[in-house]
Amino acid sequence: QVQLVQSGAEVEQPGASVKVSCKASGYTFTGYYMHWVRQAPGQGLEWMGRINPNSGGTNYAQKFQGRVTMTRDTSISTVYMELSRLVSDDTAVYYCARDLHLNYYDSSGIKAYWGQGTLVTVSS
Amino acid sequence: EIVLTQSPGTLSLSPGERATLSCRASQSVSSSYLAWYQQKPGQAPRLLIYGASSRATGIPDRFSGSGSGTDFTLTISRLEPEDFAVYYCQQYGGSPGVFGGGTKVEIK
Repeated sequence: QVQLVQSGAEVEQPGASVKVSCKASGYTFTGYYMHWVRQAPGQGLEWMGRINPNSGGTNYAQKFQGRVTMTRDTSISTVYMELSRLVSDDTAVYYCARDLHLNYYDSSGIKAYWGQGTLVTVSS
Repeated sequence: EIVLTQSPGTLSLSPGERATLSCRASQSVSSSYLAWYQQKPGQAPRLLIYGASSRATGIPDRFSGSGSGTDFTLTISRLEPEDFAVYYCQQYGGSPGVFGGGTKVEIK
């Protein structure tokens, strides 16, 4: 069965960077786009971007351009999301979410499977 | 960028009742690229509906989606205790990640 297991909670200071991992299992890792979505405390869902695990190609939401970097390591079926220049408003739960459809070249945008979430707290 | 507005913000209903949730887009959603997710406290969202009306794997048939263009609806025919949660719509056509603000379905 499809499983996405994320790394543990992080506490970072303002101005620092954080890197969250998402290890996938139960399917062909390179065949499905992976998305990153965050949720601030008590707030809604916000899409940050996506990565094609096959090519490494990425698309980022305009809001995070220049601050977010998504990468992957196909040898261990893991994707990463790094967010730099953290501010208090970046305090949120960060989710990875796998696309619904097998496609090596394009994403449906439908987030069918989700990781358990990683709480990132930005505080001095 | 398309903006999705969900209403009502909160829906107070009793188990067994019918729930009707609305999602309105600021411009037409191409090819009904509209999904619905359910989120319970402390849990990740779960995909319910995609393509406006197709149920995801394992989703009970009491959940149904309808609509096209700018107006979409999620209907829960008879609320079960486990259905009380927050529901989000998402447009995945032109822009991959636009979510609505959510509707909370609470026990009356």
